[in-house]
Amino acid sequence: GAVVSQHPSWVICKSGTSVKIECRSLDFQATTMFWYRQFPKQSLMLMATSNEGSKATYEQGVEKDKFLINHASLTLSTLTVTSAHPEDSSFYICSAHRAYEQYFGPGTRLTVT
Amino acid sequence: GENVEQHPSTLSVQEGDSAVIKCTYSDSASNYFPWYKQELGKGPQLIIDIRSNVGEKKDQRIAVTLNKTAKHFSLHITETQPEDSAVYFCAAGSSGGSYIPTFGRGTSLIVHP
Repeated sequence: GAVVSQHPSWVICKSGTSVKIECRSLDFQATTMFWYRQFPKQSLMLMATSNEGSKATYEQGVEKDKFLINHASLTLSTLTVTSAHPEDSSFYICSAHRAYEQYFGPGTRLTVT
Repeated sequence: GENVEQHPSTLSVQEGDSAVIKCTYSDSASNYFPWYKQELGKGPQLIIDIRSNVGEKKDQRIAVTLNKTAKHFSLHITETQPEDSAVYFCAAGSSGGSYIPTFGRGTSLIVHP
């Protein structure tokens, strides 16, 4: 048990367009999901905490209007990168909590050209 | 807030040797300490965790020890195999209330055949 999926696994988009990434907990319900960004050879940088049915809590320095998060159900959270720029290129990873155990998705590689 | 330090940043061992990765934390309220393994291009995978009421936990070739007084915990991998090569992250957090773990910077483990 405790499987988290992400879709897509990789995406290439043009500068100025928007990209949506989905995170699903497949075999459990998650009231809280986290979104992370990871640069090469670096640790996980928490972007925001997504709570089902309420607004996401963003970490300092993360633009909420640029990284839109929606947690519409207990098994689905989405991250939309709006008006993407090349500097948004990164590896985005979600995680879902079951009790206080944290399970990560496989990540989404975003490349903005 | 919590601060987690992880050492070493890189660890190179021969197949069959043991590997030890150490983490220290600053917040005495932290009571949950997971370890994650991240292979290239994938999301982190929970491999073992320990709670503050336990000093040691073992799962086959991996073990974690916790010293609450000194605020440090360690991951021990015995009889290392090439497939153990990956980046390992420690984390610390409090399971009470909203659990938001703080991650170490990661250790790149290389096991030479």
